[in-house]
Amino acid sequence: DTEVTQTPKHLVMGMTNKKSLKCEQHMGHRAMYWYKQKAKKPPELMFVYSYEKLSINESVPSRFSPECPNSSLLNLHLHALQPEDSALYLCASSQRTRPGDTQYFGPGTRLTVL
Amino acid sequence: GQQVMQIPQYQHVQEGEDFTTYCNSSTTLSNIQWYKQRPGGHPVFLIQLVKSGEVKKQKRLTFQFGEAKKNSSLHITATQTTDVGTYFCAKKPAGNKLTFGGGTRVLVKP
Repeated sequence: DTEVTQTPKHLVMGMTNKKSLKCEQHMGHRAMYWYKQKAKKPPELMFVYSYEKLSINESVPSRFSPECPNSSLLNLHLHALQPEDSALYLCASSQRTRPGDTQYFGPGTRLTVL
Repeated sequence: GQQVMQIPQYQHVQEGEDFTTYCNSSTTLSNIQWYKQRPGGHPVFLIQLVKSGEVKKQKRLTFQFGEAKKNSSLHITATQTTDVGTYFCAKKPAGNKLTFGGGTRVLVKP
């Protein structure tokens, strides 16, 4: 099973709302990632978790707050977002964080901020 | 930061024809990966190249890593409508940060 699942598929929220994106994998992977993808652009790395610890934060604004409750789950908490934060948010996982480890992407959550 | 440039940005291909997309870096790469993203979909890993001059084939897709490890190419023969999508190259230097090129968006004319 090489599946990464993400919920919800679509999310519309106002700038004052608080919402969370969820990601799950059952491949025994110990590295999980959040990417942001704007339309017609490549994915951009936001966060990396390795063994449930945050290892990379690509200078992401604090209105995005990641959380890794256990080795299978990854959350992204959203608060006070801006319309320019509207994008496809992709979760990925890999066995470890070695350069040769393939990253498997989930289907993404399409976020619209009004 | 270090960039990976992809050309062309768009590729309109007649069904049955061949095409090539290129990925270039100003610095030597430890490896290069290729992903495909269908319209409305998510990136799907295709292949990783590590060795200088490496060539790998997947059915109608041929991937090549340059001798100097600064460029890579993806060649698709006899294009089919199922090849529609955006093809990204991505570098992954030591560590776990995946940096994507801008992508080549492929449209197939039947």
